[in-house]
Amino acid sequence: NAGVTQTPKFQVLKTGQSMTLQCAQDMNHEYMSWYRQDPGMGLRLIHYSVGAGITDQGEVPNGYNVSRSTTEDFPLRLLSAAPSQTSVYFCASSYSGRDYGYTFGSGTRLTVV
Amino acid sequence: KQEVTQIPAALSVPEGENLVLNCSFTDSAIYNLQWFRQDPGKGLTSLLLIQSSQREQTSGRLNASLDKSSGRSTLYIAASQPGDSATYLCAVGEGGGFKTIFGAGTRLFVKA
Repeated sequence: NAGVTQTPKFQVLKTGQSMTLQCAQDMNHEYMSWYRQDPGMGLRLIHYSVGAGITDQGEVPNGYNVSRSTTEDFPLRLLSAAPSQTSVYFCASSYSGRDYGYTFGSGTRLTVV
Repeated sequence: KQEVTQIPAALSVPEGENLVLNCSFTDSAIYNLQWFRQDPGKGLTSLLLIQSSQREQTSGRLNASLDKSSGRSTLYIAASQPGDSATYLCAVGEGGGFKTIFGAGTRLFVKA
């Protein structure tokens, strides 16, 4: 099925651990982005990419790294997890990022203890 | 800094009612505006995207309007159904349209 696939769906980390959230799309979309959603708040943009090899920061980039080596994949790395990074993380993709609607993954629920 | 506000935070209506959801933004220099639907525990589904040069977009029972000068958008849902129950979020596109700023959403409950 065409769409955006996020793994894992759930993850518990200890403070200071690192991990990578995976995001893959099979729609040949150039634009991909990562968001976090906290209770009572809308989604906040972490990082985005307009094509392979091109990434840029969003609203809340601190503590997160990204890279885009292929069109299909856009992993999000937590360098040293902190309790403040407990959230639900969503990945999205779009043909161009500004002229077409976004397709979202189903999310990763991350808890940092 | 752009701020996106959605009022009301929650809304309950009887089935069949027409309703309007509101979205306001503080900086009118936007590239586009999107409306999304989010079901509990799920990802977002894109409903409508309006370019800054457009005034409205329609899809089925949904109609979204955009007034950039006043910093407002509305999502009109005609003949609401219980299946429309979800959280509706609006988001404005900045930075050439690549940076998206979301509102906190309106939780809609349609009673059968």
